[in-house]
Amino acid sequence: AQSVTQLDSQVPVFEEAPVELRCNYSSSVSVYLFWYVQYPNQGLQLLLKYLSGSTLVESINGFEAEFNKSQTSFHLRKPSVHISDTAEYFCAVSEGQGGKLIFGQGTELSVKP
Amino acid sequence: GAGVSQSPSNKVTEKGKDVELRCDPISGHTALYWYRQSLGQGLEFLIYFQGNSAPDKSGLPSDRFSAERTGGSVSTLTIQRTQQEDSAVYLCASSFTLNTEAFFGQGTRLTVV
Repeated sequence: AQSVTQLDSQVPVFEEAPVELRCNYSSSVSVYLFWYVQYPNQGLQLLLKYLSGSTLVESINGFEAEFNKSQTSFHLRKPSVHISDTAEYFCAVSEGQGGKLIFGQGTELSVKP
Repeated sequence: GAGVSQSPSNKVTEKGKDVELRCDPISGHTALYWYRQSLGQGLEFLIYFQGNSAPDKSGLPSDRFSAERTGGSVSTLTIQRTQQEDSAVYLCASSFTLNTEAFFGQGTRLTVV
């Protein structure tokens, strides 16, 4: 069975500092990987995804994530965060059959001035 | 419509009553998903539809939960004899096909008192 582990439930960080949100998954088959973001009082939005090809994927707002098959990880990184990045971030995996997403517990990123 | 629409946005119901939650997917999207977001449980997959068929109902927590989709469009999630542990935000998502990006609605916040 698939599972996703987000190792940090809360990550406080100062503005302009780098951040890494960790995600590990378990699956016996090839997977698709996703990061979703939920801003306060808003719905879930897709941030970035890995389907195939280059293992490094980027979002339009400066986040990137690298698929590491040997470590079964898909950590999310940003070199310099902004106050507006404050949100909850969810890592998710899909085996591609049925399209259902298995989510991690979420990481609350809090960016302080 | 422009996005996934869910109604009602908030629902308070008495324990033991039945509730219906509605999801209008993005026009043309063939796949539709229901998830539940609750404190302590994170985001849980409930059921998905491909067209009007539900190949995977594995996430429905009990036989009090059921869902249907008609005309390949609107879906209704029904919870019978609601219990306090059913209190959660119920999220609907749709995608053009399986394994393409899923777009989420704002959710229905259900409170069982």
